[in-house]
Amino acid sequence: TQLLEQSPQFLSIQEGENLTVYCNSSSVFSSLQWYRQEPGEGPVLLVTVVTGGEVKKLKRLTFQFGDARKDSSLHITAAQPGDTGLYLCAGASYNQGGKLIFGQGTELSVKP
Amino acid sequence: NAGVTQTPKFQVLKTGQSMTLQCAQDMNHNSMYWYRQDPGMGLRLIYYSASEGTTDKGEVPNGYNVSRLNKREFSLRLESAAPSQTSVYFCASSEASTGVGQPQHFGDGTRLSIL
Repeated sequence: TQLLEQSPQFLSIQEGENLTVYCNSSSVFSSLQWYRQEPGEGPVLLVTVVTGGEVKKLKRLTFQFGDARKDSSLHITAAQPGDTGLYLCAGASYNQGGKLIFGQGTELSVKP
Repeated sequence: NAGVTQTPKFQVLKTGQSMTLQCAQDMNHNSMYWYRQDPGMGLRLIYYSASEGTTDKGEVPNGYNVSRLNKREFSLRLESAAPSQTSVYFCASSEASTGVGQPQHFGDGTRLSIL
């Protein structure tokens, strides 16, 4: 069974600070997605990374896929209160028929 | 611009009661999914339907059944609800289930409480 371990599970920071969320596995994934979920809503896709070593930027968010495609990270620069939410990583692999395996999530709170 | 619509949004049941959660998507997607979300456990796949006419078990299928009514609709049924099934249920859809991880589009969830 493929597992994705996310860390930290909870993160509370002040506005303007930087942070990194990690998503790790012992399994190789063909792609990895990051979602953001706000209270009372469903997850919304932020980015998909498919190539080992790939880096994608979305404004103040930087996503990286590990060279071996077993891990990923999300770095937020100068966090804003609007970044508050649950961040989920999800991996897909061909031997799982393309189904997504989700990490446990990181609950981020950015205080003004 | 509805995307994925789930009904109801909230429901309280008594142990042993049955109910069906409804999900419909208007994006002409082939694949649909049902997940449950519990604190600290991310999203766990209950059942999925890769295409109209097919359904398969996910990680936690016990106590649930599904029906892919047509390409748009995918329902989840609890035949005899148990307190362990108290959770938030999400329906999602994607263009296809194969390939390098098709992005999934989620509904806003059904919050189900079983007493």
